[in-house]
Amino acid sequence: QKEVEQNSGPLSVPEGAIASLNCTYSDRVSQSFFWYRQYSGKSPELIMSIYSNGDKEDGRFTAQLNKASQYVSLLIRDSQPSDSATYLCAVNSVVDSNYQLIWGAGTKLIIKP
Amino acid sequence: DADVTQTPRNRITKTGKRIMLECSQTKGHDRMYWYRQDPGLGLRLIYYSFDVKDINKGEISDGYSVSRQAQAKFSLSLESAIPNQTALYFCATSDMNTRTSNEQFFGPGTRLTVL
Repeated sequence: QKEVEQNSGPLSVPEGAIASLNCTYSDRVSQSFFWYRQYSGKSPELIMSIYSNGDKEDGRFTAQLNKASQYVSLLIRDSQPSDSATYLCAVNSVVDSNYQLIWGAGTKLIIKP
Repeated sequence: DADVTQTPRNRITKTGKRIMLECSQTKGHDRMYWYRQDPGLGLRLIYYSFDVKDINKGEISDGYSVSRQAQAKFSLSLESAIPNQTALYFCATSDMNTRTSNEQFFGPGTRLTVL
């Protein structure tokens, strides 16, 4: 059974600080990884994709990938109250001969003004 | 704007009733997916389709069926709804489904309650 693990939180971060969200996965041959943001009662929204080891930056967001440690993280700089949401980690893995996204349960992030 | 839409957005029904949830997309994507989300759990895949003639079961297909009427339309049916099918249901689409890419884009969701 392929798994993706995230700390459920909530993770409370002061406004303006860096929020750090972590995700570990079990399938060591996975090659593509995604971070989604989900506001309460809304649908998941893709915010970052990462495919290579190292960092990928997009505005205030940085995704970090370490395939040797099977670890993906998302950093949010200058956190804003509007960043308060649940962040879902998804890992692309082969299941029954097709690629499927395996989802973590999400980390709830609260940005305190 | 290319989009994914779902109808209905909310539905309350009774045990034993047949329910159909519909998904339409204007993204031009071939691949479509149905997920359910329960509180505290990750998204779980119910069914997925790579084209009109290719439909595959996901992790939790029991009690559900699907129909891919066209490239842009993918429907999910609950033949005889039961209370533990109460959940938030999402449709998603993707352009690619390969080792290095499987970015999926979601509809707004359907909140289903089975009494």
